[in-house]
Amino acid sequence: DQQVKQNSPSLSVQEGRISILNCDYTNSMFDYFLWYKKYPAEGPTFLISISSIKDKNEDGRFTVFLNKSAKHLSLHIVPSQPGDSAVYFCAASKGGNTPLVFGKGTRLSVIA
Amino acid sequence: DTGVSQDPRHKITKRGQNVTFRCDPISEHNRLYWYRQTLGQGPEFLTYFQNEAQLEKSRLLSDRFSAERPKGSFSTLEIQRTEQGDSAMYLCASSSYIGGGSEQFFGPGTRLTVL
Repeated sequence: DQQVKQNSPSLSVQEGRISILNCDYTNSMFDYFLWYKKYPAEGPTFLISISSIKDKNEDGRFTVFLNKSAKHLSLHIVPSQPGDSAVYFCAASKGGNTPLVFGKGTRLSVIA
Repeated sequence: DTGVSQDPRHKITKRGQNVTFRCDPISEHNRLYWYRQTLGQGPEFLTYFQNEAQLEKSRLLSDRFSAERPKGSFSTLEIQRTEQGDSAMYLCASSSYIGGGSEQFFGPGTRLTVL
């Protein structure tokens, strides 16, 4: 069973516009959520995280929103840049630096 | 560079051979994790350590797999009698356990191909 789901395998966005990547989870024990970005042949790079006690966290062009009642989180990238083109993974943990559970990823293409 | 390093980056082996991978975490990090990623999937947890103690093993980790972190610094992951289904990217990550949530930082991975 997939506890973390990214239902959009791919997304194309024009440069300068907003990219919104979505993620749903099923396990109510998850209390810490992270987004990673991955280029081919490299390991995932940490982008931004959010604790379940918050509903929003912002870092530069990246904002993560958490809706606990809907078990849904989203990553907003504004403005999108061509260098943002990569696969984005949503991940969740039960806190305390326990192992991460990842979604299957969404491939973002930012078109100049 | 003080990030997570992994060696080798690529490994091609024949079915039935044993392979060993090494991971060097960020020096002050006490937790170390192994994940495996196959095409079209997100990374899947295999096992993790706090210092030298192995805290958890996934059911994905068959008895052909063994991991160690003997002095609480680097870690090795060994696969015995490799099978074609073991072909994947093996990722290592580390974090500093300070309570609550904390980011895990990943290495570049070891790409295993079993012929």
